[in-house]
Amino acid sequence: ELKVEQNPLFLSMQEGKNYTIYCNYSTTSDRLYWYRQDPGKSLESLFVLLSNGAVKQEGRLMASLDTKARLSTLHITAAVHDLSATYFCAVEQLIWGAGTKLIIKP
Amino acid sequence: KAGVTQTPRYLIKTRGQQVTLSCSPISGHRSVSWYQQTPGQGLQFLFEYFSETQRNKGNFPGRFSGRQFSNSRSEMNVSTLELGDSALYLCASSGLIYNEQFFGPGTRLTVL
Repeated sequence: ELKVEQNPLFLSMQEGKNYTIYCNYSTTSDRLYWYRQDPGKSLESLFVLLSNGAVKQEGRLMASLDTKARLSTLHITAAVHDLSATYFCAVEQLIWGAGTKLIIKP
Repeated sequence: KAGVTQTPRYLIKTRGQQVTLSCSPISGHRSVSWYQQTPGQGLQFLFEYFSETQRNKGNFPGRFSGRQFSNSRSEMNVSTLELGDSALYLCASSGLIYNEQFFGPGTRLTVL
């Protein structure tokens, strides 16, 4: 059974700090997606990672994919309050992680 | 460019009824996927349609069905509603296979 595990599930951090969200999955795949969801809102695509070693960056967020380790990471650099949201990873857009609720305090 | 639209936005039904939800993708997008989001189960994939053909199907009972029309608009139907079907139903469209998806605002279904 394909499983996707995100950790941590909840993260409270101070502005200006760095942190990483991890997404482990249980089957071979080279298609990994990251999304953001604000409270009461729909999902917004952040990154599409389609090959081993793929790295993408947008502002303070950087995502990477290691298909051999079956691991993707979402790294937050110098967090700001506007990044507070729930972040989801999804393997092949079929199996989704439980989401990481990120709260960034001023 | 108009985004993905879903109708209705909110729906209240009673157990045993059936419901049809509609999704209009971004113009030019041929792939439409449906998801169910609940606090307990999280986000779960229902099905994906591409050019009127179902390409993938999630692990849901046969009460959940969908279809896609020639203009790429899609509908999903849930028959014999159960309390556990209460959820946010999200539709997403994409222009290319494996490409990023653009989500609609969702339909909030409440089953009483």
